[in-house]
Amino acid sequence: QLQLQESGPGLVKPSETLSLTCTVSGGSTSSSSYYWGWIRQPPEKGLEWVGSIYYSGTTYYNPSLKSRVTISVDTSKNQFSLKLSSVTAADTAVYYCARHNAAAFYWGQGILITVSS
Amino acid sequence: QSALTQPPSASGSPGQSVTISCTGTSSDVGGYNYVSWYQQHPGKVPKLMIYEVTKRPSGVPDRFSGSKSGNTASLTVSGLQAEDEADYYCISYGGSNSPVVFGGGTKLTVL
Repeated sequence: QLQLQESGPGLVKPSETLSLTCTVSGGSTSSSSYYWGWIRQPPEKGLEWVGSIYYSGTTYYNPSLKSRVTISVDTSKNQFSLKLSSVTAADTAVYYCARHNAAAFYWGQGILITVSS
Repeated sequence: QSALTQPPSASGSPGQSVTISCTGTSSDVGGYNYVSWYQQHPGKVPKLMIYEVTKRPSGVPDRFSGSKSGNTASLTVSGLQAEDEADYYCISYGGSNSPVVFGGGTKLTVL
């Protein structure tokens, strides 16, 4: 059964770079026709798509975050990663990793990231 | 890429039916039969309720149904139960250049 697990520091200082990793088990990051994505949810707010990487390596980012986001995949470790630069308090959120295709998303459990000095 | 439009809130009494809309454009909702709906209880991971506009995953009650007309998709919950109170989000495929479009979410209250 597919499982996705987010990992990373729970606390990040303002202006620094947030780095998260999603470890995939029960599936392969090199599987064809799947995207591997990041979605976030600020406290008491709705879901926001951050970006995704296709199995081919093509990346897609939310235009509002594009200048600060990098998503990459390491197929040898069966992981994919998110880097978000120049963070502010507004980037405080639960960050979910997910596998998706055109039809549906399969979610990890999420990780709370707080931006604070 | 614009977000899909959902009403912020919806409500109904136990046993009633309620419908939540999700309006996009011909480039996303109207252009593909790839709209999915997710239920999220507070502090929980979103749960897939409907995919490909009308299909229900195994284990989802048949009280939940999906439909689409033009650029608007809808989720209908029939025979409302207390446990249906949650936030609901729609997501659409937006094509090869913009594969993901999210709705803003609807808070469903069971009165």
